[in-house]
Amino acid sequence: DTGVSQDPRHKITKRGQNVTFRCDPISEHNRLYWYRQTLGQGPEFLTYFQNEAQLEKSRLLSDRFSAERPKGSFSTLEIQRTEQGDSAMYLCASSRQGPEAFFGQGTRLTVV
Amino acid sequence: DQQVKQNSPSLRVQEGRISILNCDYTNSMFDYFLWYKKYPAEGPTFLISISSIKDKNEDGRFTVFLNKSAKHLSLHIVPSQPGDSAVYFCAASGGPNFGNEKLTFGTGTRLTIIP
Repeated sequence: DTGVSQDPRHKITKRGQNVTFRCDPISEHNRLYWYRQTLGQGPEFLTYFQNEAQLEKSRLLSDRFSAERPKGSFSTLEIQRTEQGDSAMYLCASSRQGPEAFFGQGTRLTVV
Repeated sequence: DQQVKQNSPSLRVQEGRISILNCDYTNSMFDYFLWYKKYPAEGPTFLISISSIKDKNEDGRFTVFLNKSAKHLSLHIVPSQPGDSAVYFCAASGGPNFGNEKLTFGTGTRLTIIP
């Protein structure tokens, strides 16, 4: 069991640049979630995939954000034209069934 | 609108004593509740969960209590150990009622175990 893997662990980017994060879920998990966590807050739901289908997006997810999960395996989260307010920890989680989701170590994004 | 609330930002407990972390929720559609533990620079780690049809679930040193009428749950850790020092998040899920089982988290309680 290799757990949920996220890459990169840290990303520093200049405002206005595009960034892409990758998540590899636990292999037999068909459900994949992206969350965002800012300082002093709990993780906030961004989007949900069941296999390759993106079934729900939070209103937190502006049109600068896009997520994909081709072939129902790994997922990518892209942020276009980054803003300082996008600085946060981006967490990926996966599950097979039930609400117990297993989280990766996160990607910490800093927009300067 | 904070649907899951953890009103104590921090808690200090002596090693060997009981730690009690509290959580309140407002949405009566939530039917499953979870506790996660988080160390700095790591993702949350699942600890224990409870379905709304139960009022208690126990796993080793960890016990979660649910009071549906009060919309309140608590996590008891006994005995507390130094390795328990972390931020603890309460989370809730509406299950199929919400279309998926996404989690709504509280803001966390930082637990410090004093040796």
